[in-house]
Amino acid sequence: KNEVEQSPQNLTAQEGEFITINCSYSVGISALHWLQQHPGGGIVSLFMLSSGKKKHGRLIATINIQEKHSSLHITASHPRDSAVYICAVIQGGSEKLVFGKGTKLTVNP
Amino acid sequence: ETGVTQSPTHLIKTRGQQVTLRCSSQSGHNTVSWYQQALGQGPQFIFQYYREEENGRGNFPPRFSGLQFPNYSSELNVNALELDDSALYLCASSLPRGARDEQFFGPGTRLTVL
Repeated sequence: KNEVEQSPQNLTAQEGEFITINCSYSVGISALHWLQQHPGGGIVSLFMLSSGKKKHGRLIATINIQEKHSSLHITASHPRDSAVYICAVIQGGSEKLVFGKGTKLTVNP
Repeated sequence: ETGVTQSPTHLIKTRGQQVTLRCSSQSGHNTVSWYQQALGQGPQFIFQYYREEENGRGNFPPRFSGLQFPNYSSELNVNALELDDSALYLCASSLPRGARDEQFFGPGTRLTVL
């Protein structure tokens, strides 16, 4: 079992829909990253959080440390949101990021 | 402020050869991490350098080695290439707290081993 599990693996939505991507992890962590990867490979950091909730534009990230779970929400989705969204955790006491396999999101016009 | 750059963009090598990949960190960042991303998988941590010293290593064999230079640019060297080394190699720079700081990723180098 991977230390970081994401669901769903693939997600197709219509423009305007509300999107939720989930991340569960099995190790103690000090923080969690949500990343966006476009075709071709470039990765952009969206959020880093260790508790509660963060919001940036149409993106919202939440984390529940007790339940070892985080969610990434996209409101009013748009075709330009189409990308792979990756959850990565920082294991407690470590400097390394452990990544999930990613969720491929396709938003159709 | 310049972003993280990597070179080359693409590279084709044959089994047994050696390869050097390069990364130029974002201005002001003294920590760099290298990741390997196989097709359809999430990135895997190779190692991290802080102020020219290795500061953490993932589950990769010794034929994966690195260097960080005084200007904080970095190299990843892979010896005795194997077919399974074919992947996208990403570097990410950050401020001194490493993974606990925002990571700035380069565009990656796609390595194909034939």
